[in-house]
Amino acid sequence: DAKTTQPPSMDCAEGRAANLPCNHSTISGNEYVYWYRQIHSQGPQYIIHGLKNNETNEMASLIITEDRKSSTLILPHATLRDTAVYYCIVRANSGGSNYKLTFGKGTLLTVNP
Amino acid sequence: NAGVTQTPKFRILKIGQSMTLQCTQDMNHNYMYWYRQDPGMGLKLIYYSVGAGITDKGEVPNGYNVSRSTTEDFPLRLELAAPSQTSVYFCASSYVGSSNEQFFGPGTRLTVL
Repeated sequence: DAKTTQPPSMDCAEGRAANLPCNHSTISGNEYVYWYRQIHSQGPQYIIHGLKNNETNEMASLIITEDRKSSTLILPHATLRDTAVYYCIVRANSGGSNYKLTFGKGTLLTVNP
Repeated sequence: NAGVTQTPKFRILKIGQSMTLQCTQDMNHNYMYWYRQDPGMGLKLIYYSVGAGITDKGEVPNGYNVSRSTTEDFPLRLELAAPSQTSVYFCASSYVGSSNEQFFGPGTRLTVL
């Protein structure tokens, strides 16, 4: 699976948009970009994923650049409960590697009141 | 649905003792996984299973064993506990489908002294 690079930490004011970047310059054509988050001491939680088009769900939006070498997770109106470590993960979505989530250290997002 | 449940929540073991971490999911997922997370680090895959009776090694399988006799249960066995196995253990499950989202349990915090 392609490797990802994320900033170790970011701050955001409550109510503002949080934009979390991720670089994945070695991504392959069949690899998806997944985002998970881990609130302190809890198991990771799936947020969103995409292949090449921008995606939106009730939690967040995912913007993937045209060359697919980077992406941005957007939390449109961050709340204190969004304080967590956010993981950007790249993996294929079929075949034998379907199982694998490779977690890096992620980005610690701190939402401040 | 309870989702993914893990027992116990906490455990302290002495060096050389054995124990089994329990994991159960009620979502009829075919894939199940065990991860460990050391302080300040991302998760690392220990073992995974693609269905009842089928298991395979992940990144860090040494010192662990697993079995999958039913779809619902995926216990992780530590035979001779060592201090290096002090960690938080997460079980997860997924269904091969549109998102392949992994659902995580709340974790077991294990200390080996």
